[in-house]
Amino acid sequence: GAGVSQSPSNKVTEKGKDVELRCDPISGHTALYWYRQSLGQGLEFLIYFQGNSAPDKSGLPSDRFSAERTGGSVSTLTIQRTQQEDSAVYLCASSPGHLAKNIQYFGAGTRLSVL
Amino acid sequence: GQQVMQIPQYQHVQEGEDFTTYCNSSTTLSNIQWYKQRPGGHPVFLIQLVKSGEVKKQKRLTFQFGEAKKNSSLHITATQTTDVGTYFCAGDLSGGYQKVTFGTGTKLQVIP
Repeated sequence: GAGVSQSPSNKVTEKGKDVELRCDPISGHTALYWYRQSLGQGLEFLIYFQGNSAPDKSGLPSDRFSAERTGGSVSTLTIQRTQQEDSAVYLCASSPGHLAKNIQYFGAGTRLSVL
Repeated sequence: GQQVMQIPQYQHVQEGEDFTTYCNSSTTLSNIQWYKQRPGGHPVFLIQLVKSGEVKKQKRLTFQFGEAKKNSSLHITATQTTDVGTYFCAGDLSGGYQKVTFGTGTKLQVIP
């Protein structure tokens, strides 16, 4: 079956513009994560969706960042008024969400470059 | 806050040498997972440990979960150039909320 799909794979934007990044999780996965990874660095947690629960937004770095998940499936990460420090790879992962099966499956990521 | 730390942050080894990375949590984990991220790639799941003291092997890789379920280790015997990458541990710190938190990662470089 299909894995986690992210689009676009690459995005170049000008400072101050808004961008939307999309994540299509594996069908049936109730949990969805967004991470940010700067070059050579670890995974920075951004936001976590689990079923119908309120999302865990504790990792969002500023109010310029927001995310939603419609119908428990597709998720969109929006960055408003982009800054150069937002340049990074944004990774999405989905998981079945069960305690014994909360393995994360990652998409290939979106490489964001803010000029 | 609750976090998962890994040491070392970086490791360079000569091909054929052994390698170990350690993962430590501030709180008890429901389970521990290990992922590998190749350069330019995304993290890929390797294994999950659930039981206290559990040991699992995958060819040259040996994974351990501590008795107190607060630490774990990954040991690679006789490293090969294909082992290059960053190894992350990840655990459920949420006490049932099923949110997995990634460790800080260990970047392994193997010198041929």
